[in-house]
Amino acid sequence: QVQLVQSGAEVKKPGASVKVSCKASGYTFTSYGISWVRQAPGQGLEWMGWISAYNGNTNYAQKLQGRVTMTTDTSTSTAYMELRSLRSDDTAVYYCARSGRHMALSPWGQGTLVTVSS
Amino acid sequence: QSALTQPASVSGSPGQSITISCTGTSSDVGGYNYVSWYQQHPGKAPKLMIYDVSNRPSGVSNRFSGSKSGNTASLTISGLQAEDEADYYCSSYTSSSTYVVFGGGTKLTVL
Repeated sequence: QVQLVQSGAEVKKPGASVKVSCKASGYTFTSYGISWVRQAPGQGLEWMGWISAYNGNTNYAQKLQGRVTMTTDTSTSTAYMELRSLRSDDTAVYYCARSGRHMALSPWGQGTLVTVSS
Repeated sequence: QSALTQPASVSGSPGQSITISCTGTSSDVGGYNYVSWYQQHPGKAPKLMIYDVSNRPSGVSNRFSGSKSGNTASLTISGLQAEDEADYYCSSYTSSSTYVVFGGGTKLTVL
């Protein structure tokens, strides 16, 4: 079955960077994109950006431009999201999701909790 | 403030029907038939329930349906069941610099 499995929880200090991985299985990785979405504690969903697994094209949310980088490794069917210069308000659960036609997201990974604290 | 506007909460009794609205602009909901709806239970990842305004993915109950009129999309759940209690989010493709905008989410309570 189609599945996305993410890396484990992270605790980081302000100013540090975090890199979350998302390993895909059960489908042709390069036929879809991967979106990243985050959810702060008790808050709603926030779209962070998208990467094409076919050619590596990206589109990032404006508020994260300059701090986020999304990449893929087609040899291992894995997507990565790196967020730099972490702040306390970056504390959230980070999700990857397969992006189909017209940006319908399915399935989603299980989520990775990133805690930013001094 | 979210780009799409949803009611914070709705409620209904088992067996009843409820509708959740999702209001955007002509740059997103009104401009494209690319509205999706997601269900999220506490502590779980979201699940796609509706895509392209009114299409259900395989495995999603036909009690869930979607529609759109102008800049407002709607999710209707008929024959409410206890397991439907969850948060629901709409999203839309947008012509702005980002591809996707989400609504703020609606908490559904089954009384």
